[in-house]
Amino acid sequence: NAGVTQTPKFRVLKTGQSMTLLCAQDMNHEYMYWYRQDPGMGLRLIHYSVGEGTTAKGEVPDGYNVSRLKKQNFLLGLESAAPSQTSVYFCASTHTGTGTGANVLTFGAGSRLTVL
Amino acid sequence: SQQGEEDPQALSIQEGENATMNCSYKTSINNLQWYRQNSGRGLVHLILIRSNEREKHSGRLRVTLDTSKKSSSLLITASRAADTASYFCATWTGGGRRALTFGSGTRLQVQP
Repeated sequence: NAGVTQTPKFRVLKTGQSMTLLCAQDMNHEYMYWYRQDPGMGLRLIHYSVGEGTTAKGEVPDGYNVSRLKKQNFLLGLESAAPSQTSVYFCASTHTGTGTGANVLTFGAGSRLTVL
Repeated sequence: SQQGEEDPQALSIQEGENATMNCSYKTSINNLQWYRQNSGRGLVHLILIRSNEREKHSGRLRVTLDTSKKSSSLLITASRAADTASYFCATWTGGGRRALTFGSGTRLQVQP
């Protein structure tokens, strides 16, 4: 099992450029998340999805859009990148219910984005 | 604002010593989880404690939860250099928000 895979791992953008981060999971998880982590800080939730075709805003959604067209994929888009969006982005997923591992997040390795 | 706040922000100990990290949170929770992050890597789940539990063990890890004080602690016994990492608490509040809220983390350095 690959778990959660993020692409790309590194990207440098210029202010105003757009890009999409892709997250793919092979665990048949219903819930998927995008977090950002800034130096010395914890993770802040950008957007999340509780199922195919649904998305919801987290704590810091401004400047980002997401789509969940397929259950296994969750895309994070930056339409017009800003230096404040320089960060490490983590995707995660989980399944719901009461079984083992419910509500426990499996994380990807992260995508480091620099906006100049 | 973040739900959980860890204390201390940084901790440096010698191998073999115990490490204790504390987490405080603000609202009612369904469960509280601890994650570990090695430098430059993603987070890895360590342990989950439910709101109706007071203590849980997993190997060298011991987690306590005091819902009246809205606080939790993570104890790592007999620490090893390989335990060097950042540790985060995270809370699942349930209801309309089906996501984990993370604290700011404790950076643990275990000196060999």
